[in-house]
Amino acid sequence: GAVVSQHPSRVICKSGTSVKIECRSLDFQATTMFWYRQFPKQSLMLMATSNEGSKATYEQGVEKDKFLINHASLTLSTLTVTSAHPEDSSFYICSARDEGEAFFGQGTRLTVV
Amino acid sequence: QKEVEQNSGPLSVPEGAIASLNCTYSDRGSQSFFWYRQYSGKSPELIMFIYSNGDKEDGRFTAQLNKASQYVSLLIRDSQPSDSATYLCAVEGGNEKLTFGTGTRLTIIP
Repeated sequence: GAVVSQHPSRVICKSGTSVKIECRSLDFQATTMFWYRQFPKQSLMLMATSNEGSKATYEQGVEKDKFLINHASLTLSTLTVTSAHPEDSSFYICSARDEGEAFFGQGTRLTVV
Repeated sequence: QKEVEQNSGPLSVPEGAIASLNCTYSDRGSQSFFWYRQYSGKSPELIMFIYSNGDKEDGRFTAQLNKASQYVSLLIRDSQPSDSATYLCAVEGGNEKLTFGTGTRLTIIP
């Protein structure tokens, strides 16, 4: 099946710094990618829809200036958490659809200290 | 607001028995339904998807969909310890966005 690769798998950063997470579709092109966040013992919550060549669509309550999304090519979307705070610590997961099936990246465990 | 409800569990099932996982959804316009398995600290992995009313079988797994009742379930036959995980129900409303339930934590007891 299709593969979605996410990097890094784990990152620790200091409060106030920015962190970039990459999501790549390895063997298919994805005009749309999805970014989720999952807090411990909770489900995946959609943060935004990343659209190749245009602006991302953010879900209600998600700050677009804090979570910057860039989808510059058909195989790469990036999520940058700007001015990270401890409450941003979470598991971030990207997803892309191929022939109707949703494939997930490995996830990025972000810890802000 | 579109909602997907699951019993959070934990659900404990003896090895070899049938595990039954349930999910209800609020959006009648939902088109596609997915079951994912998620091990601790890992991303979800797809088990099955179903679009039409009725049953769909794949190996030890059977998904059941009843759109009139807005209900979808997953049955796991001959449960194995490796089936112990959190099972997420996801519903698609037609715009490729998936809404996830909170997940049911399943433990298979050897």
